[in-house]
Amino acid sequence: QSVLTQPPSVSGAPGQRVTISCTGSSSNIGAVYDVHWYQQLPGTAPKLLIYVNSNRPSGVPDRFSGSKSGTSASLAISGLQAEDEADYFCQSYDSSLSGSVFGTGTKVTVL
Amino acid sequence: QLQLQESGPGLVKPSETLSLTCTVSGGSISSTSYYWGWIRQPPGKGLEWVGSIYYSGTTYYNPSLKNRVTISVDTSKNQFSLRLSSVTAADTAAYYCARQSVGGTYWYFDLWGRGSLVTVSS
Repeated sequence: QSVLTQPPSVSGAPGQRVTISCTGSSSNIGAVYDVHWYQQLPGTAPKLLIYVNSNRPSGVPDRFSGSKSGTSASLAISGLQAEDEADYFCQSYDSSLSGSVFGTGTKVTVL
Repeated sequence: QLQLQESGPGLVKPSETLSLTCTVSGGSISSTSYYWGWIRQPPGKGLEWVGSIYYSGTTYYNPSLKNRVTISVDTSKNQFSLRLSSVTAADTAAYYCARQSVGGTYWYFDLWGRGSLVTVSS
């Protein structure tokens, strides 16, 4: 029941920059609500990567950056590394659901 | 360092009730700064928020599950629990518990448990 849309997959060579989009609506991202991003390595639990649009928790490399504009948000990974190969999910609050919504998820492949 | 650990049966029969408990260690579930949530992920699929609870007992549920889900908290044991009734194969998923930061414009999960795979099958 994802209401945030992400591309199914993105890929890039080591060292390149990739971006992942997250498109919502006027009841979530397009409203006042912030966007957060999670990284899920194979076989593990999701981990908070970016919170409140552009903030990195302690320990997250500055290669990861986030932004929000209008009804969309983006996650950028610069200097792509093999260890970045994972699934990435955006998340926000939705006022029509009175709860959390997640994106459809994007698989990042390092070529 | 705060940690969360899910526990409960890995196999549940159709039409029965799924029950999971999340034990919080290294910190208090009664912190006024956080909520506590459940998120699930069917095999090979995306994440779905199930519901959240505050230490006082205030709950928020995903409308798509609201009629079947109950989340409760036991502050004396530093635990919160999930019950999902009338389960079907569609409820087969990894269930994660997580600590949740909530503010005026934000609601995010900053610490996660390792997850508990629950299979619904006869």
